[in-house]
Amino acid sequence: AQTVTQSQPEMSVQEAETVTLSCTYDTSESNYYLFWYKQPPSRQMILVIRQEAYKQQNATENRFSVNFQKAAKSFSLKISDSQLGDTAMYFCAFMTLFSGNTPLVFGKGTRLSVIA
Amino acid sequence: DTAVSQTPKYLVTQMGNDKSIKCEQNLGHDTMYWYKQDSKKFLKIMFSYNNKELIINETVPNRFSPKSPDKAHLNLHINSLELGDSAVYFCASTLGGLETQYFGPGTRLLVL
Repeated sequence: AQTVTQSQPEMSVQEAETVTLSCTYDTSESNYYLFWYKQPPSRQMILVIRQEAYKQQNATENRFSVNFQKAAKSFSLKISDSQLGDTAMYFCAFMTLFSGNTPLVFGKGTRLSVIA
Repeated sequence: DTAVSQTPKYLVTQMGNDKSIKCEQNLGHDTMYWYKQDSKKFLKIMFSYNNKELIINETVPNRFSPKSPDKAHLNLHINSLELGDSAVYFCASTLGGLETQYFGPGTRLLVL
């Protein structure tokens, strides 16, 4: 079974600074997706970024980028120029592509606070 | 236009009652899921449906019964509610079960 570990329960960062959230996962699969989802106080689950395991290039979305290390099974999220609106829970998630209809396996989340 | 919607957003009820949560998506997806987020924010899969057919049924009490009347809807009925059922329930959908999942706004259920 796949597992996802987020070792930082809470983090804080000054506005405009850069912060990196860690995620490691365990799987025997070779074909999968990795995701970061954001959950602000509104509770909505918002997709931040997706990485396909077969792609060597790290995904980027504006101020959000990942450092995907497949051999190390590591998938960290870097947030540049942090903004107050980035304050939220961040969840790392794994999805195998071994078969269809596979659910997401989530880490326990990292609570990020951006401080003015 | 709301892509994945859930009703109600909040549900407060007494132990022993039966309640339903509805989910609808207008994305043309064919696979839908129910996840439960507990008080510690941990998210875990409960059910998955593809083209109205139950695909995944995790270890969930049989008091929980999902129903999919069509590809765009997946409802969750809960019988004999217990205190431990208090949580946030999320519906999600995707295309083909192998793409990004999009989540509804969640339903916060509080059982008193």
